[in-house]
Amino acid sequence: DIQMTQSPSSLSASVGDRVTITCRASQGISNYLAWFQQKPGKAPKSLIYAASSLQSGVPSKFSGSGSGTDFTLTISSLQPEDFATYYCQQYNSYPHTFGQGTKLEIK
Amino acid sequence: EVQLVESGGGLVQPGGSLRLSCAASGFTFSDHYMDWVRQAPGKGLEWVGRTRNQAFSYTTEYAASVKGRFTISRDDSRNSLYLQMNSLKTEDTAVYYCVRIGTGNIDYWGQGTLVTVSS
Repeated sequence: DIQMTQSPSSLSASVGDRVTITCRASQGISNYLAWFQQKPGKAPKSLIYAASSLQSGVPSKFSGSGSGTDFTLTISSLQPEDFATYYCQQYNSYPHTFGQGTKLEIK
Repeated sequence: EVQLVESGGGLVQPGGSLRLSCAASGFTFSDHYMDWVRQAPGKGLEWVGRTRNQAFSYTTEYAASVKGRFTISRDDSRNSLYLQMNSLKTEDTAVYYCVRIGTGNIDYWGQGTLVTVSS
């Protein structure tokens, strides 16, 4: 199975900051990488697919990049509603594994 | 508007069975692959499995942790997805999400249904 490792596991930031979360795959996955946002007690929300393509309705403050084994999710100009847990997922091969999550907290 | 509504969760004893349902609306269900994803309490997301559409003979894929115990099926005439769970273990306790596969990967999530396996 492909292992997905996110860093950091938690991150403190202030409103207005720009943050970057990293996701590393244990083997190459081309650009078959998605990002999700989850708020406490809620279902996840899809943000990005194919490493850098925004899902419909997702604001452009979210951006993704990477290919192969190393990927990043960048969130610009943080707002209170952006504080949540973020997950990456590879869908290059089965099983479609998720990273362990990165909790973004308000400083 | 795309809607995915799961049902069928509840409390079940270890070794027991449960069938989850997901009612889909707002899109052409038969066109899409569908997955199940779960989340144990306080833990991360775990992919459970997939059913492809009729064009791909409704073939399925499963995580190793559930293979041989769980079965994913669908009824396109009812716009419904199912997860039959047998030989349940305490570690299957989780919120189970029904998700739609759109362009590329998961685009929509249901609200989830909680399955608790406990004696």
